[in-house]
This record gives sequence, structure tokens and C-alpha cells, in this order.
Amino acid sequence: AQSVTQLGSHVSVSEGALVLLRCNYSSSVPPYLFWYVQYPNQGLQLLLKYTTGATLVKGINGFEAEFKKSETSFHLTKPSAHMSDAAEYFCAVSDAGDDKIIFGKGTRLHILP
Amino acid sequence: DAGITQSPRHKVTETGTPVTLRCHQTENHRYMYWYRQDPGHGLRLIHYSYGVKDTDKGEVSDGYSVSRSKTEDFLLTLESATSSQTSVYFCAISEVADLGAGGNEQFFGPGTRLTVL
Repeated sequence: AQSVTQLGSHVSVSEGALVLLRCNYSSSVPPYLFWYVQYPNQGLQLLLKYTTGATLVKGINGFEAEFKKSETSFHLTKPSAHMSDAAEYFCAVSDAGDDKIIFGKGTRLHILP
Repeated sequence: DAGITQSPRHKVTETGTPVTLRCHQTENHRYMYWYRQDPGHGLRLIHYSYGVKDTDKGEVSDGYSVSRSKTEDFLLTLESATSSQTSVYFCAISEVADLGAGGNEQFFGPGTRLTVL
């Protein structure tokens, strides 16, 4: 069965510093991978997704993620954090042939001034 | 933004009462989903629908039922609410370009905060 592990339920970075949110997945077949963001009192919005092709995926708001099959990872990065990036981030996986998505437990990102 | 609304947005009810949450979409998407979000658990799938009158159970379906009589509406019912069902409930929709291919992103509604006393 698919599963997603997000390392760290809370991550704090200083404004202007690198953001790195970690995600590892467990899937028996090549998966589809997603990162979603949730701002306070809102629903989830898609940041980026990997389906096939280029393993480095660029998303909105300057975020990107790299699919590494050998490490079963899909970590999310942003070179320079902004205060507006403070939110909860969810990694998610879907197997080919499955129309459901399995979400990780989320990582809350705090930006320090 | 995808046209998804949820009603009510907030509800407080008492243990043992029935509750129905509504999700309405204007996108004509085939798939609709109900999730609950709880601290430390992320989002967990309750039920989903792949067409009118076609529904299936998710990971945490006990105590919940759903109905979809029209493409645009997906109802979630708690027949007899319990305190463990206090949560934030999200509806999501998805269109399927390739049936069974997977990889289809989901679009989320704003959520309903339900408190069961």
C-alpha cells in the first residue's frame, strides 16, 4: 500500500534562508507525487506535481521538488524563504491507475524574522 | 479558483444528532471526495464518488454515509454524531483525463469546521 512520510511536523527557517521540507514515499510502482500548501483557515492548493518526465519539478511561488527514485524521496525546496510562506505543507502520492491520493501528515513551516 | 463551495462553513451540534454537510461544484468534474483533517493525522479520505450514484469507501468511513444524486452535489451525513467526529471536513474534486491513469490533481473547497459537543 502507498504511504507518505513527512519528516518533521514543524520546521522553522529564517526569512531569506533555504526552505527544505522532506518527503519520502512508499510505493510498489512508479508513483505520481504532489505537494500541496494550506494557509490558515483555507483549503489546500496545489504547489506542484510530478507525473512523468523531468525529475525536477517547478511549482508556484518559487518552490520546486526533485523526484529521486533511488531514495524514494520528493523533497520540497525554495532558495529564499518569505514571511508569506508560513503555512502547512502536505506531500501526497497516487499510484498509476488509482484515482485516490494519499496525504502525508503535514509539515508546518514557520518563518522567523 | 475551482468553483467549490461547502455548507455550512461552521457547525456546532450535540452528540447523537444527525448532521449533513454539502459540497457543491460548478466545474462538472466527475470525481468528488470527502476528507477529514485532524492534528497529527493530516487528511484522511472518508468517502469518494466517481459519478452520479457511484460512491466508495475511504480509509475512515465508519459512522459516515454519502450520496450523490447530481454531478454538482456530494453530501456527507453523520447519522448520529459523536465527539470523535469533531474535525474540519474538506471536499475535493478531480477531473479524469485518462480513466484509471491516476496523477489527477484534486481541487479543494474551503472546509467545514464541525464541533460535536
